[in-house]
Amino acid sequence: QTVVTQEPSLTVSPGGTVTLTCASNTGAVTSDYHPNWFQQKPGLAPRPLTYDTSHKHSWTPARFSGSLLGGKAALTLSGAQPEDEAEYYCLLFYGGAQRAFGAGTKLTVL
Amino acid sequence: EVQLVESGGALIQPGGSLRLSCTASGFSLNNYVMNWVRQAPGKGLEWVSLMFSGGGTYYPDSVKGRFTISRDDSKNTLYLHMNNLRAEDTAIYYCARDRDWSYDFWGQGTLVTVSS
Repeated sequence: QTVVTQEPSLTVSPGGTVTLTCASNTGAVTSDYHPNWFQQKPGLAPRPLTYDTSHKHSWTPARFSGSLLGGKAALTLSGAQPEDEAEYYCLLFYGGAQRAFGAGTKLTVL
Repeated sequence: EVQLVESGGALIQPGGSLRLSCTASGFSLNNYVMNWVRQAPGKGLEWVSLMFSGGGTYYPDSVKGRFTISRDDSKNTLYLHMNNLRAEDTAIYYCARDRDWSYDFWGQGTLVTVSS
């Protein structure tokens, strides 16, 4: 069974930088896993932020960036804003058409 | 404008069945991989099914044999047929489009509550 692991919670200061990571129990996350990142605020559907490791959607603020870091997928937020306080989820694509989400990271901007 | 609208959520007794719908506008469902994703109250996201444009379907072990994803191209609507429902199936169910390794558009979700 695939398990995708994220930090349960992180805190960043306004204007600061923070990196969220996403690991797989199957081994190092590579571009073959096509990592996606989503932001979710209470009561709303997930909002896509990045896909296929580092691509951004047209609506994604420039302060968000996706990458691979030390065998994990990563989402870096540079210049945190109060409105970035939310839950963040990663999604990995596995072979055999399986997909798996991480359990989410609760990001506090404080 | 791309839009996905889910419907069909309800309060259902354990062991019961339910069919959810996801109606698309602004694009044709049969040109994309389509997914159902659920979120239990206060919990994270869980992928529960997908259908390729060619009709192939896949499920995680947690719902395999109980859930069936299907599509009506004439109505541009995706379905999730859920049988033998359990309390742990209680969740908001979202449909999501998969384009080029990107879950780029999501619906607003529909709530399924399994309880006696």
